[in-house]
Amino acid sequence: DIQMTQSPSSLSASVGDRVTITCQASQDIRKYLNWFQQKPGKAPKLLIYDASNLEAGVPSRFSGSGSGTDFTFTINSLQPEDFATYYCQQYNSLPPYTFGQGTKLEIK
Amino acid sequence: EVQLLESGGGLVQPGGSLRLSCAASGLTFSSYAMTWVRQAPGKGLECVAEISGSGGNKYYADSVKGRFTISRDNSKNTLYLQMNSVRVDDTAVYYCAKDQLFDYWGQGTLVTVSS
Repeated sequence: DIQMTQSPSSLSASVGDRVTITCQASQDIRKYLNWFQQKPGKAPKLLIYDASNLEAGVPSRFSGSGSGTDFTFTINSLQPEDFATYYCQQYNSLPPYTFGQGTKLEIK
Repeated sequence: EVQLLESGGGLVQPGGSLRLSCAASGLTFSSYAMTWVRQAPGKGLECVAEISGSGGNKYYADSVKGRFTISRDNSKNTLYLQMNSVRVDDTAVYYCAKDQLFDYWGQGTLVTVSS
């Protein structure tokens, strides 16, 4: 099974900051990586697919990059509604697909 | 508008059984693989089972293999998860989600395994 290592597990930041989360796959997953946002009591929401493609309706302050085993997710100019938990997920291998352990983004 | 609506969650004793359903609308259901994802209280996300659009291919996480069965009825636009021999660590919110993009999710249904 492919393991996804996401870091950091938690992060404190202020409105207007730029934050970066990384995700490392245990083997080559090419570009097949999603990034999700989850708020308490809600289902996850897809933000980025194929490592760098912005899902329709998602603000452009969210971005993703990388391929192979190393991936980065960035939020430019944090907004109050961005404080949430973020997950990466690979979908290169056969399912079930694996998630990273999550990054909780909190207000400083 | 695509909508996924789970049902069937509740309290079940260890060793018992439960069947979850996910009713889909707003999409050509049979065209898409579907996945059950769970989230234990305060924990991360885990894909537990996926089924192809035709129902011919099924995949399971090791944690549920041999105990859970995923199925679908394309005539009813409904996805199922039959949960047998449930354990305390199966306690979670169970979501259904659309294919490998996971671009649509249901609202989740809570399964609590406790005596």
